Amino acid sequence: KAGVTQTPRYLIKTRGQQVTLSCSPISGHRSVSWYQQTPGQGLQFLFEYFSETQRNKGNFPGRFSGRQFSNSRSEMNVSTLELGDSALYLCASRAGQENIQYFGAGTRLSVL
Amino acid sequence: DQQVKQNSPSLSVQEGRISILNCDYTNSMFDYFLWYKKYPAEGPTFLISISSIKDKNEDGRFTVFLNKSAKHLSLHIVPSQPGDSAVYFCAAFGGSQGNLIFGKGTKLSVKP
Repeated sequence: KAGVTQTPRYLIKTRGQQVTLSCSPISGHRSVSWYQQTPGQGLQFLFEYFSETQRNKGNFPGRFSGRQFSNSRSEMNVSTLELGDSALYLCASRAGQENIQYFGAGTRLSVL
Repeated sequence: DQQVKQNSPSLSVQEGRISILNCDYTNSMFDYFLWYKKYPAEGPTFLISISSIKDKNEDGRFTVFLNKSAKHLSLHIVPSQPGDSAVYFCAAFGGSQGNLIFGKGTKLSVKP
């Protein structure tokens, strides 16, 4: 069974631009969560989608948004990029009410 | 307010000896705990978990202990191997949001 796939793996953007990251969950998993990892803050929860609906949201500004499609694939969008948005963005999927989340390799975003 | 704390940023252990990684939490509503291992340039990999109704869970060389009264859990790796060198994250599930809350990680180095 294929794991969680994130594309692209690396991205370089400039301040003010917007970016879209993609995540394909493990087949059969309907829940997709997004996390931001930075050296100072560790892994911080952005949001979770389940059956195309946002189920939970972390404490991030409205510039961070996401969506989920009917095939459970998810996208995350960051608008008006700031230097502080440089981070590793991780996507995780889980099955139903299971507590174990399985992570993709992440997208490394650098904002110049 | 950091709800999951890993107070040791790093740990160095000799090959063959025991590695003990510690984690403290503050929210008594947490009911499920997980340990993840992360290599550079990869996403976190699920290692082992424990429900709050148990105080110990074993999987091969890995054992997680939970002390609910002290709000403390630990991961024991016996015997430690050089391939165990990675960053280990403790995570908790539960509380008011249905997402994982991570500690900031402990970097384990196992010396041959």
